[in-house]
Amino acid sequence: GENVEQHPSTLSVQEGDSAVIKCTYSDSASNYFPWYKQELGKRPQLIIDIRSNVGEKKDQRIAVTLNKTAKHFSLHITETQPEDSAVYFCAASGGGSQGNLIFGKGTKLSVKP
Amino acid sequence: DGGITQSPKYLFRKEGQNVTLSCEQNLNHDAMYWYRQDPGQGLRLIYYSQIVNDFQKGDIAEGYSVSREKKESFPLTVTSAQKNPTAFYLCASSMRSQETQYFGPGTRLLVL
Repeated sequence: GENVEQHPSTLSVQEGDSAVIKCTYSDSASNYFPWYKQELGKRPQLIIDIRSNVGEKKDQRIAVTLNKTAKHFSLHITETQPEDSAVYFCAASGGGSQGNLIFGKGTKLSVKP
Repeated sequence: DGGITQSPKYLFRKEGQNVTLSCEQNLNHDAMYWYRQDPGQGLRLIYYSQIVNDFQKGDIAEGYSVSREKKESFPLTVTSAQKNPTAFYLCASSMRSQETQYFGPGTRLLVL
């Protein structure tokens, strides 16, 4: 079945710097890759997603890139702000697991003012 | 995701007790899901339902049971067979399988 690896597990950056979180997946049939942001004690919220027919998608300070050949995708946050501090989860779906999302273990991002 | 509600926010379970977590959605979504989240871990799928009156086991279904009698509702029962139930439980729904999932606010289950 699908397996999703996420790195790094923790990331600390200065306000204004960029942050990059990377995920790899194992099932070449996966075709949907969402990213969620979860603040402490809150629900995960979708921040951006990408499908396998697109290589890159951008929404203001957030972008996601997908490399289907290498089976990895990345989240890029530019001009980080303290309110970006949270745990970020990547996920992959559409493969043999009946389309269910398989989540990475999360990256705790800390943005220092 | 404001259309998905979970109750209660906190739930305490005694030894040998079954407890039921509520999940309701008014988004007219066909698919609903239950995840368990432990500290430092990702979300692990317990059960999912792609349509009313049908549901499937996820990766960690042992000690849990569900029902899907109505499109809007997908309650999760944590049975006494689940020996380590302390966790944050999240319900989600999507229009269909492989579509964007939206999460409820979660229920934190603690054992007395």
